[in-house]
Amino acid sequence: EPEVTQTPSHQVTQMGQEVILRCVPISNHLYFYWYRQILGQKVEFLVSFYNNEISEKSEIFDDQFSVERPDGSNFTLKIRSTKLEDSAMYFCASTSELQETQYFGPGTRLLVL
Amino acid sequence: AQSVTQLGSHVSVSEGALVLLRCNYSSSVPPYLFWYVQYPNQGLQLLLKYTTGATLVKGINGFEAEFKKSETSFHLTKPSAHMSDAAEYFCAVSDVGSGGYQKVTFGIGTKLQVIP
Repeated sequence: EPEVTQTPSHQVTQMGQEVILRCVPISNHLYFYWYRQILGQKVEFLVSFYNNEISEKSEIFDDQFSVERPDGSNFTLKIRSTKLEDSAMYFCASTSELQETQYFGPGTRLLVL
Repeated sequence: AQSVTQLGSHVSVSEGALVLLRCNYSSSVPPYLFWYVQYPNQGLQLLLKYTTGATLVKGINGFEAEFKKSETSFHLTKPSAHMSDAAEYFCAVSDVGSGGYQKVTFGIGTKLQVIP
């Protein structure tokens, strides 16, 4: 069964450093998403992406964040200058043209020191 | 704006007992409803979903949920809990966001503990 994959599974970085989280969505999916889950809190929507542009973003998704689909398979989330409060689990998700069900990757646990 | 309320952040049941995890939602349009499960240190796995049609939906691992429009509820049940059911369960609702694209809103999550 096709699945969403994410790399790395864990990332530790110093405050102020740039990080890039990578996702490979399900191959025939057209809509891509990033969510985050701060430890002990609910899963929060960050951004949705379609046709090579952001379709919607939350208040959390400020200028420090960017997303890109650099090739036909990868979907990346970049945090330009990490802050302590960026420590969280980041989930990528994708959905087909029907936009019925979002399938989630296993997540990347980011720790900012 | 849509929202999801999960009653009970922690639920404990004995092995073999009924599991009932409550979820109420608000949405301005007929929603799609989901339950996701998250095992320790793992990602979100789709347990079941309601989109249209039959209001009682069956998912993996013996779980099922019933969409009750009049009560705006989508409670998750399992007749007999197993130790392997211990996990965190998230109810979620989706509809089309302001940009015309699907947007999923999650509840706070319910941690299920199964007591031997």
